[in-house]
Amino acid sequence: DAKTTQPNSMESNEEEPVHLPCNHSTISGTDYIHWYRQLPSQGPEYVIHGLTSNVNNRMASLAIAEDRKSSTLILHRATLRDAAVYYCVEGGADGLTFGKGTHLIIQP
Amino acid sequence: KAGVTQTPRYLIKTRGQQVTLSCSPISGHRSVSWYQQTPGQGLQFLFEYFSETQRNKGNFPGRFSGRQFSNSRSEMNVSTLELGDSALYLCASSLLPGTVNTEAFFGQGTRLTVV
Repeated sequence: DAKTTQPNSMESNEEEPVHLPCNHSTISGTDYIHWYRQLPSQGPEYVIHGLTSNVNNRMASLAIAEDRKSSTLILHRATLRDAAVYYCVEGGADGLTFGKGTHLIIQP
Repeated sequence: KAGVTQTPRYLIKTRGQQVTLSCSPISGHRSVSWYQQTPGQGLQFLFEYFSETQRNKGNFPGRFSGRQFSNSRSEMNVSTLELGDSALYLCASSLLPGTVNTEAFFGQGTRLTVV
C-alpha cells in the first residue's frame, strides 16, 4: 500500500501557481521526498527531491514541513504542458515508493 | 544523450508462459530498477540492480526475477504468467546505487498483456 496520501485530482488555470500537497504520515528520518510526474503513455519524469530543506530547481519548488509529515510541490506558473499525474514518492531502502498520484488538470 | 530504452514496447503472452523484458540504461548509469504499474496497485518497486548485483527486492513472488549484465543492461523475467501480471513494466536508471538521494530516469515501459 502507498505510504503517502494525495488528492485524486486538482484543477488550475494556465499561468497561475499550483500547490500540490502530499502527506507522509509514516516517513522515516532517512527517506527522501521525491516528486515525479507522468504523461499518458510515458514513463514517470523526475521533478524534484529533498530531505528536510525547501528545494528549488528550474521545474518547480518543494516545500517540506518541519516535521516532514507533509510536503508541497509548487509549480510557479502552470502551462498546458504541466497537465499530468503528479506522484509524491518516498525514496528509501525499498526503492521508490509511489503514492496514488494527483491528476492535475490545467484550464486554458 | 540517449534515454532509457525498453524493449519490446508491447507484448501479448498466454497464461503459463514466461516472458523476458529488456532495459538499456542511460550510458554511464550502473543502477537499474524495475517497477510494475497497474491501475489497481499503481507503481510498485520490483527490484534494483547495481554492478550486476541485486541490491533490493520488492514484495513480489519468486516468479519475478532479473539480472544485470556487465554493460549495465538489465533483463527481467516473469515465469508461469498469470492474468494479474498484465501491467506496464517500467525500468529506471540512475547514476548512483539506491534511489534515496538521486534522480531516476524512466523508460517508456513495456506493456504486457496476459491472455
